[in-house]
Amino acid sequence: AQSVTQPDIHITVSEGASLELRCNYSYGATPYLFWYVQSPGQGLQLLLKYFSGDTLVQGIKGFEAEFKRSQSSFNLRKPSVHWSDAAEYFCAVGVAGTASKLTFGTGTRLQVTL
Amino acid sequence: GAGVSQTPSNKVTEKGKYVELRCDPISGHTALYWYRQSLGQGPEFLIYFQGTGAADDSGLPNDRFFAVRPEGSVSTLKIQRTERGDSAVYLCASSHGLAGGREQFFGPGTRLTVL
Repeated sequence: AQSVTQPDIHITVSEGASLELRCNYSYGATPYLFWYVQSPGQGLQLLLKYFSGDTLVQGIKGFEAEFKRSQSSFNLRKPSVHWSDAAEYFCAVGVAGTASKLTFGTGTRLQVTL
Repeated sequence: GAGVSQTPSNKVTEKGKYVELRCDPISGHTALYWYRQSLGQGPEFLIYFQGTGAADDSGLPNDRFFAVRPEGSVSTLKIQRTERGDSAVYLCASSHGLAGGREQFFGPGTRLTVL
């Protein structure tokens, strides 16, 4: 069965600083990978996804993520964080070619200081 | 257009009671998913539907949990004999279909508290 690890429970960055959130997955074949963001009282919003092809994917709100098969990683990055980016971020893995149920990591809470 | 909606937004019940949680998916989405998110955790898959049928219910924790989608649109998650451990946010999502990787659009969730 697939699994996802987000090693950082909580990260604090200054506004304008760069950001990298880590995600490691476990799955025997090429997975479908996702990053979602959850703000207080809001539903999960998809930031970006990787299915195949270019390993660097661009998402909404200036986020990008890079799929590294050798490291089983799919880290999320943003060059310059805005205060409105403070939220909970979830990495998720889906199984290619079958049902699209997702397995989520435990999340990383991002705090942005002004 | 309207997104996924869930009612009620909050539900407080007593241990042993029966509860129903409703999900209205995005119009035209054939696939519907239920997840449960406990405090400090990521969402955990419960069940998904393709049309009216439950295609995978492997995530339901026990037989107190049941879900239906009789007309292939609205779905209801039903929990019998609620326990304090059932307290969580129940999330519903929908997508165009089951082809792997189709984006799932999530609702705001129903926060269930079992006293």
